[in-house]
Amino acid sequence: SAVISQKPSRDICQRGTSLTIQCQVDSQVTMMFWYRQQPGQSLTLIATANQGSEATYESGFVIDKFPISRPNLTFSTLTVSNMSPEDSSIYLCSVETGWNTGELFFGEGSRLTVL
Amino acid sequence: AQRVTQPEKLLSVFKGAPVELKCNYSYSGSPELFWYVQYSRQRLQLLLRHISRESIKGFTADLNKGETSFHLKKPFAQEEDSAMYYCALKARGAQKLVFGQGTRLTINP
Repeated sequence: SAVISQKPSRDICQRGTSLTIQCQVDSQVTMMFWYRQQPGQSLTLIATANQGSEATYESGFVIDKFPISRPNLTFSTLTVSNMSPEDSSIYLCSVETGWNTGELFFGEGSRLTVL
Repeated sequence: AQRVTQPEKLLSVFKGAPVELKCNYSYSGSPELFWYVQYSRQRLQLLLRHISRESIKGFTADLNKGETSFHLKKPFAQEEDSAMYYCALKARGAQKLVFGQGTRLTINP
């Protein structure tokens, strides 16, 4: 299992600004995933972050808008850049502790509201 | 592309009644399927996976490849089962999970 801490838990942001979300895991993990959950929608994968390599982005998500850092095996950040009201969402960090098990452990999420 | 459909956004049943949350998927290969649950004020967590063929908290789910379904069932619902339930699919060899839109289950006393 894994315990994941995400910061901030919520924030209200102005249009055009950027916000960085931090994800700290209590154990070393290879795979970290960033999901977005827009109001009333399902979880959509933004990108997969492996330590020591560039993040892999899903269709519709680009590095300029959602830059990700993965400096070590226990930490990652996701930045939401140049925010607009459409970016208002819950952003979730998750990890897979085994290899390809499909069992994900999730953070509590960061609820962003963009005015 | 993989797709997971949960046709019911909301489902309400009485305590003690059977409950079935529907999940259909679209994937040409052999999938791995999961049910995740989010209780009020808790984080999303794995409930069960088809490959384990286990019963968790009285819930079971059977993969029906012919109907491309993975419905979640429990014979006698309990109030503590009230939660948001997500069906998820993992393509063979892939790293990511694709989630359905979720079903909010409410168990009435």
